[in-house]
Formats: sequence, structure tokens, C-alpha cells
Amino acid sequence: SAVISQKPSRDICQRGTSLTIQCQVDSQVTMMFWYRQQPGQSLTLIATANQGSEATYESGFVIDKFPISRPNLTFSTLTVSNMSPEDSSIYLCSSSDPGEAQYFGPGTRLTVL
Amino acid sequence: KNEVEQSPQNLTAQEGEFITINCSYSVGISALHWLQQHPGGGIVSLFMLSSGKKKHGRLIATINIQEKHSSLHITASHPRDSAVYICAVPVYSGGGADGLTFGKGTHLIIQP
Repeated sequence: SAVISQKPSRDICQRGTSLTIQCQVDSQVTMMFWYRQQPGQSLTLIATANQGSEATYESGFVIDKFPISRPNLTFSTLTVSNMSPEDSSIYLCSSSDPGEAQYFGPGTRLTVL
Repeated sequence: KNEVEQSPQNLTAQEGEFITINCSYSVGISALHWLQQHPGGGIVSLFMLSSGKKKHGRLIATINIQEKHSSLHITASHPRDSAVYICAVPVYSGGGADGLTFGKGTHLIIQP
């Protein structure tokens, strides 16, 4: 099973600023994903991070707001841009290979003031 | 896009009771996932299954592909089983490693 770490684990940010979240997997994986969990809600898929190409975003999420990079098979970043209080959530990355379970990072708890 | 319905949303039971959590989805899938989330947010994969039944310790997961329905059972429940249990399926009907869509979760409390 993959072991995933995320940095930072939590942050408090000011409105209008940006935060980049890092996700590191301990082995090469085919797929990496980014999810958001708003307070009291279940998880929502933001995008699939594609290695060497642009991420694939779900409806309601756009690249200008949530730029994603995936430079190799073990690492990805998600930036939350021009933040507002509505962006306060837990952001989680996950990894998966075909036919395998999906493994999740510990999450980044973001509070925007 | 797939949609997931999970029930019950909240469940309180006494230690030792048999627990059942149900999940239904709208579109054919390659596999269904059962996840556990503890306070503090960490998510653990319990099962990934595409047919039949899987067992791990006191946990049993079943799936009926024709009826688009899955159940998670906990036998001889224990207070340490208290957590949120989440059913998840691929967002799109497809194969391979897909992004997931999630049920609202079942908040389970097992009282001593």
C-alpha cells in the first residue's frame, strides 16, 4: 500500500492570498487525485493530477483557482489561489493504480480569515 | 456521473451488536470502496470490491452489481469501531483507477 504525506498539515491564511499544498507518495503511482472536504460535508473530487500534462478538473473547479502540478509519478501540488473564507476546508490528495485501492494523505486543514 | 446514497446517516449501538450500513449507486461501476474516517480526518481504505463478498477481521462487505447496492457489516461491534464509514464509487462509469464520488457517510457510535 502507498504511504502519502502532505505539507502543510494545517494553515491559517488571509483572504486574497494563495497557499500551495504538497503531496508526496512513497512509491510511483499511476493516478493522483485532489479532493476537498468542506466542514460537515463528504469529500468532493477537485481534479485528477496528470503526470506531465494539465490536470483534469471536475465541474465547478477551474485551473485559475486551483492550479495543480504533477512533475513526476510520486509528487503533486495543489494551489488554492486568491482565497476567500469559503475555501476553508480540508484538502486531501490520494493515489491509485488500476485494480488497487485508493490511498489517502492525512489532509491539509485550511482556514481562511 | 455516478451518485451515491448511503444509510443510515447516524447510528448508535451497544457494544457487541451487529451493524449494517447500506450504499446504493446510480451507474455501473468497476469497483466500490468502503472507507473509514476517524476524528481528525484520516481516511483508511477498508475494502475495494467489484463482486461478491470480502471479509477482514470483523468487517464484511458485500456487493450486488445487478441491484447497484452494497452493504458493510460489523460483527461483535466494539467502541473502537466508532468512526465515519463512507461508501465511494468512481465518478464516471469506467475502469482503471478513477477519481471517486462519495456518500455522505455513516457516523457510527458504539457505546460500551
